[in-house]
Amino acid sequence: NAGVTQTPKFQVLKTGQSMTLQCAQDMNHEYMSWYRQDPGMGLRLIHYSVGAGITDQGEVPNGYNVSRSTTEDFPLRLLSAAPSQTSVYFCASRPPAGGPWASYEQYFGPGTRLTVT
Amino acid sequence: QKEVEQDPGPLSVPEGAIVSLNCTYSNSAFQYFMWYRQYSRKGPELLMYTYSSGNKEDGRFTAQVDKSSKYISLFIRDSQPSDSATYLCAMRYPNDYKLSFGAGTTVTVRA
Repeated sequence: NAGVTQTPKFQVLKTGQSMTLQCAQDMNHEYMSWYRQDPGMGLRLIHYSVGAGITDQGEVPNGYNVSRSTTEDFPLRLLSAAPSQTSVYFCASRPPAGGPWASYEQYFGPGTRLTVT
Repeated sequence: QKEVEQDPGPLSVPEGAIVSLNCTYSNSAFQYFMWYRQYSRKGPELLMYTYSSGNKEDGRFTAQVDKSSKYISLFIRDSQPSDSATYLCAMRYPNDYKLSFGAGTTVTVRA
């Protein structure tokens, strides 16, 4: 298994541009989520999904859209980038109950560092 | 007031020392507790999880939960330079997968 993968690793945007951060997992995890990490603030939940076709908002959803058309992929879209969205973005997924996993808590991807100028 | 409070440090200790990390929380509905380790420019990795009050050991690591005081701790014994990282506490409600994180404590273990 490749685990949780994220692309790109780095991105620089100008204010007002849009882009999509990609997240994929090959572990058949139903639950996936997006967090942003800012200095001194830990990780804050942006959006999450409990399965294909089902998404919901987290703590800081404004300015971001998500969709979940497959179990494997959970892209995060920035509609009109703002400097306040400069952050490190992490995607995570969680195994379903009843499987052979050592833990049922969330596994994180390597992150995407986004700078908006 | 944040739901989860964690002293950001930084914390610098000599190799072999015991590292003690703490988080407090305000909502007694949190029942499941985790510690994640995050190396510089990497994603968080699950280090330990515990769902009950008391101690849980895994090698050099001990997670402690005191639900009556709303306080959790992580102890690292015989610390090594490879333990240098940011440690994040996280917690969630039963039957809810969303995690609430502390700000993270940056630890440096000096050789």
